[in-house]
Amino acid sequence: DAMVIQNPRYQVTQFGKPVTLSCSQTLNHNVMYWYQQKSSQAPKLLFHYYDKDFNNEADTPDNFQSRRPNTSFCFLDIRSPGLGDAAMYLCATSSFSGDRETQYFGPGTRLLVL
Amino acid sequence: AQSVTQPDIHITVSEGASLELRCNYSYGATPYLFWYVQSPGQGLQLLLKYFSGDTLVQGIKGFEAEFKRSQSSFNLRKPSVHWSDAAEYFCAVTHTGTASKLTFGTGTRLQVTL
Repeated sequence: DAMVIQNPRYQVTQFGKPVTLSCSQTLNHNVMYWYQQKSSQAPKLLFHYYDKDFNNEADTPDNFQSRRPNTSFCFLDIRSPGLGDAAMYLCATSSFSGDRETQYFGPGTRLLVL
Repeated sequence: AQSVTQPDIHITVSEGASLELRCNYSYGATPYLFWYVQSPGQGLQLLLKYFSGDTLVQGIKGFEAEFKRSQSSFNLRKPSVHWSDAAEYFCAVTHTGTASKLTFGTGTRLQVTL
C-alpha cells in the first residue's frame, strides 16, 4: 500500500544533541511537509518542500532545518534540541497541481528531550 | 486570514449514540474542508473532504459531514458511535491555488462510554 512512513516512531535525545527525523513516502507526491504537534494542540506547520523548493514558515525557529534529497525522502534536523522541542513531529505529503490538494499524514515521531 | 473554530474541546457520548462535532470556518472564498482523526500517539487520518458539489460528503468509518455555506459550517456526524471512535478530531481548511496552507482547528476530543 502506498503510504507515508516515519522513522523512528520514538526518539529520545539529550538537551543540545542534534537529532534527525526521517520521512519517506511511496505516493510519489511532489509536496512534503513537517509539522510540530505539542500535547493537546493542533499541528503547527514548520516548513514544506514543493518539489525541491523549500518553504519555511515565518515563525519556525532557526534550530529546525530540513533536507529533501529526492522525491521520496525528507528529513527534519533539529540542531540543538531544547526541552521545549519535545513534541510529536508529523510528516505529510500531497500531490499539488494547482487545485484540490489533500494532505496525507504519517504516523508521527514522538521526540523526548532529556 | 482563514481560521477554523471547533467550539467543543471535549465531548462524551455513549456507545451507540449519535454524534455531531461542530466546525466553523472563516474564509472569504470557497474553502476546501477536511476532517482528520487522530488516535493517541498516532498520526492524522483523513476521514473526509469537501471540495465542491454535493454538500453532504461521506467518509470512512461511517462518518459524514455537511457543508453549509450560509452558516460557514462543516459539521461531522455519525449515526452510531463505536468505542473505537474515541480519538481527537480536527477540522481543517485550505483554499484553491496554494499548497500547504492547511489551517487546523484546535480539535475536539471524543470520549465514548460503554
